[in-house]
Amino acid sequence: GENVEQHPSTLSVQEGDSAVIKCTYSDSASNYFPWYKQELGKGPQLIIDIRSNVGEKKDQRIAVTLNKTAKHFSLHITETQPEDSAVYFCAAPFRDDKIIFGKGTRLHILP
Amino acid sequence: DAGVTQSPTHLIKTRGQQVTLRCSPKSGHDTVSWYQQALGQGPQFIFQYYEEEERQRGNFPDRFSGHQFPNYSSELNVNALLLGDSALYLCASSVPPGSGGYTFGSGTRLTVV
Repeated sequence: GENVEQHPSTLSVQEGDSAVIKCTYSDSASNYFPWYKQELGKGPQLIIDIRSNVGEKKDQRIAVTLNKTAKHFSLHITETQPEDSAVYFCAAPFRDDKIIFGKGTRLHILP
Repeated sequence: DAGVTQSPTHLIKTRGQQVTLRCSPKSGHDTVSWYQQALGQGPQFIFQYYEEEERQRGNFPDRFSGHQFPNYSSELNVNALLLGDSALYLCASSVPPGSGGYTFGSGTRLTVV
């Protein structure tokens, strides 16, 4: 079925440390894996994405890794800052047309 | 460049009523997808519109219907509202279907009482 599982549901890290959020997907045909950040009262905002022809992509403090064989992909945030506190969603497309989201990870950056 | 615009931002309706939510996609985008986000949950796919037609639909009853206009804007209609329809309704636009890279609006917060 159409499923994207995301772990953990809540994550607390000390400011300056790294945070890792992991997702698995069920459709082996999925070829695009976006990550969204949602702040209170706002819609999700695309922060990084990766296509299936690469295994890793970096954008400053954010990186995403993809293991197509295992159907896993992960978000890595290094040198975390207070403004990184938010809810993060992974997502994957099914039958090319609809993006299915994970249940989200609430990230708390502790001072 | 305006992003995705949704209206209204907040809405309170009574059980059994009907509601229409509106979305204007980002400039240059021709595909609109609608999502329902319950409190503390991830967005759930309702349906997607492209070329004024519904292309894909999620697991939502027929009470949820939509429309896309020639200018690519879209409406989401919900009939016979239930308390469980209370949620944040998000509109996302993209080009073309399947390309991902959705741009989301800030949503319409619907409360059914």
